[in-house]
Amino acid sequence: DGGITQSPKYLFRKEGQNVTLSCEQNLNHDAMYWYRQDPGQGLRLIYYSQIVNDFQKGDIAEGYSVSREKKESFPLTVTSAQKNPTAFYLCASTPTDSGYAGSYTQYFGPGTRLTVL
Amino acid sequence: AQTVTQSQPEMSVQEAETVTLSCTYDTSESDYYLFWYKQPPSRQMILVIRQEAYKQQNATENRFSVNFQKAAKSFSLKISDSQLGDAAMYFCAYQSDKLVFGAGTILRVKS
Repeated sequence: DGGITQSPKYLFRKEGQNVTLSCEQNLNHDAMYWYRQDPGQGLRLIYYSQIVNDFQKGDIAEGYSVSREKKESFPLTVTSAQKNPTAFYLCASTPTDSGYAGSYTQYFGPGTRLTVL
Repeated sequence: AQTVTQSQPEMSVQEAETVTLSCTYDTSESDYYLFWYKQPPSRQMILVIRQEAYKQQNATENRFSVNFQKAAKSFSLKISDSQLGDAAMYFCAYQSDKLVFGAGTILRVKS
């Protein structure tokens, strides 16, 4: 079955630690996205990548880093510089091909709940 | 910057009844896309319906339909014959160069 997987489902971090959230897709999509969701709020864009080895900051990139070494994978690292990392993190993907990226519907993974202890 | 506003933090509907969720947005773009996503307790974001701004016809997906008023920048979601499984958080979203979400509306379905 094609889809987006995120792991782990729950993640606990001690203050001062870096942690990496996994996002994998087998949809052959070019573009991938990371969002953060806080209670009572919508999703906010952290980083996105439209092609391998390239990515751009979203609205709340401070304290986060990403890599895009493979088309299928877009891991997110939450660094110790992120002062309030407890949140729900969602990964999404879309095809882009030669079309306008904004015309494509984003499909989401099941998410990772990160809690700082 | 584009913004999306959902003015109803919470709504309730009786099973089998109809409910409308409101959404307004602000943009200076003429070409864009609008979405309603559903987030059940599992927290998986599920696409409900999509509307292209250049289409005048309102999108429909089974029991879900939208009322798209481009001049008013309004994009409401109507759920007909509400079912218990419709209970979730519903997000309105706008997409031009990036996807922008509203704060969400919690929908409760009463049996």
